Amino acid sequence: AQSVTQLGSHVSVSEGALVLLRCNYSSSVPPYLFWYVQYPNQGLQLLLKYTSAATLVKGINGFEAEFKKSETSFHLTKPSAHMSDAAEYFCAVSTPGDTGFQKLVFGTGTRLLVSP
Amino acid sequence: DAGVTQSPTHLIKTRGQQVTLRCSPKSGHDTVSWYQQALGQGPQFIFQYYEEEERQRGNFPDRFSGHQFPNYSSELNVNALLLGDSALYLCASSSRAMASTDTQYFGPGTRLTVL
Repeated sequence: AQSVTQLGSHVSVSEGALVLLRCNYSSSVPPYLFWYVQYPNQGLQLLLKYTSAATLVKGINGFEAEFKKSETSFHLTKPSAHMSDAAEYFCAVSTPGDTGFQKLVFGTGTRLLVSP
Repeated sequence: DAGVTQSPTHLIKTRGQQVTLRCSPKSGHDTVSWYQQALGQGPQFIFQYYEEEERQRGNFPDRFSGHQFPNYSSELNVNALLLGDSALYLCASSSRAMASTDTQYFGPGTRLTVL
């Protein structure tokens, strides 16, 4: 069964600093990987996704992630943090069920704190 | 273009009661998935509907049931509510035509509190 591990329940950075949120996956088949962001009292917004094309994926709001098969990782980065980036970030792996329909398996999330 | 909408926004119930949550998918989408997000946790897959049938189900008891209507909207029903059912319930829609790389778009969620 597929699974996702997000290292660090909380990550604190200063405004302007590099953001690095870690995600490792476990999958017996080539995975599709996603990063979602959740602002307080809101649903999930897709940041970016990897679906076996380019290994470096660029998303919205200046975020990007690199798929590394050898490390089974899909870490999320942003060169310079902004105060508005403070939110909860979820990594997810897409796994086809027995019927061929995709479902998402999420990690436990990482809360990003940005200080002035 | 309207995104995924859910109603109600908040709901308070007592143990043993039944609840129905509603979801309208993004325009052009025909597949609806439901997730439960407990406080401080990642979302957990409940089930998925396509062509008015449940296509796959996560590890949730039969107290959780659903329905999809011809217009692709969906309902989530929970019977005999327990305190542990308190959570944010998220609906996500996607297109079956893009199933191999489908992106699930999420609604704002319904916050259910069971007292």
